[in-house]
Amino acid sequence: GESVGLHLPTLSVQEGDNSIINCAYSNSASDYFIWYKQESGKGPQFIIDIRSNMDKRQGQRVTVLLNKTVKHLSLQIAATQPGDSAVYFCAEVNTGTASKLTFGTGTRLQVTL
Amino acid sequence: DAGVTQSPTHLIKTRGQQVTLRCSPKSGHDTVSWYQQALGQGPQFIFQYYEEEERQRGNFPDRFSGHQFPNYSSELNVNALLLGDSALYLCASSAYGGRYEKLFFGSGTQLSVL
Repeated sequence: GESVGLHLPTLSVQEGDNSIINCAYSNSASDYFIWYKQESGKGPQFIIDIRSNMDKRQGQRVTVLLNKTVKHLSLQIAATQPGDSAVYFCAEVNTGTASKLTFGTGTRLQVTL
Repeated sequence: DAGVTQSPTHLIKTRGQQVTLRCSPKSGHDTVSWYQQALGQGPQFIFQYYEEEERQRGNFPDRFSGHQFPNYSSELNVNALLLGDSALYLCASSAYGGRYEKLFFGSGTQLSVL
């Protein structure tokens, strides 16, 4: 797992600031769009999702925004903490094939103290 | 409660060899999916197993095959290894028909092909 994300775009954020991670998706027919967090040496972990008929959804310290016009997805993390340091992936899925996720290119989030 | 466990954690093979990776799903899960994650990329879906049968398959050649056992554990086999097969192989388990947020990933097997 240590080799994941070595050549990924990196976002560096100071602790306490807000983070915005962006993603472009490909399939306008996808039912759900999802954000995953992958820490070093671990598999992806579900963070939050949004249905295709929604524009915004909020969770605990996280907000996902969906712009279907330009096929763009973003993840906002409020008050970023050191534990948020990881690689973040967006994914899309059709609910009929729930295990078949299509992942986008990841972004490495580095939280500086 | 153990989550998804994969073995081995790391593996080194040479071109042309064959490899078998193993996965035990999370307790209560009956469906196993395999993903390949190349360096710097997101995971790519290989296939899904349920009731010991391959149910869905991604865009991978026949060199990639799998098996699911009656206890729901699974194996991923790759024949005639190529350098491009070097990647992190992730196993994910779920309940069949369950939603994707109930998909639990293991920590993966790092395969290096020399």
